[in-house]
Amino acid sequence: NAGVTQTPKFRILKIGQSMTLQCAQDMNHNYMYWYRQDPGMGLKLIYYSVGAGITDKGEVPNGYNVSRSTTEDFPLRLELAAPSQTSVYFCASSRVDLGQAHFGNGTRLTVT
Amino acid sequence: GENVEQHPSTLSVQEGDSAVIKCTYSDSASNYFPWYKQELGKRPQLIIDIRSNVGEKKDQRIAVTLNKTAKHFSLHITETQPEDSAVYFCAGAGGATNKLIFGTGTLLAVQP
Repeated sequence: NAGVTQTPKFRILKIGQSMTLQCAQDMNHNYMYWYRQDPGMGLKLIYYSVGAGITDKGEVPNGYNVSRSTTEDFPLRLELAAPSQTSVYFCASSRVDLGQAHFGNGTRLTVT
Repeated sequence: GENVEQHPSTLSVQEGDSAVIKCTYSDSASNYFPWYKQELGKRPQLIIDIRSNVGEKKDQRIAVTLNKTAKHFSLHITETQPEDSAVYFCAGAGGATNKLIFGTGTLLAVQP
């Protein structure tokens, strides 16, 4: 039981490049979330999903896209990367009835 | 939408003393309030949570209280130890959107 797995762990992008951050969970959780955490700051919700085929915007969705084609996977897409997207990205998942969100180890992204 | 405010942003205590961190939330429909501990360079980890039908919950040296009328909840750590030093985040979820929104975090330093 791996929990929430995020790949890659680290990535450096040039301005204008695109990439997909991968997130997978093997706990059969309904809910999945993407957060970004800037240095010394809190967790800001980018997008979330309450089940396969359903996604919704969080607090800071601009510049990102998500999809949820399966219960297990919730990839985050960055189009036209900007320096302001330099951050640590965390994926999390939870069961709808318990609410206890489990986090992945994060992806550290630098845009230069 | 939901907003969660957290105070103080930094807290320094002597080993053995108690620490209290307070949060307020804006959405009266919120019904789930977890607390997370994040050590430097690590992912957030759930330490305790409380639901709106309960006023207080305790787990060894950690307790959480909830005042639904005032829309605030607090984390209490007794007999603090150096290993309690970390950033602590409160969060709120529930209502119409089920978003899990985090507070801005409290850096707790326990001085030996």
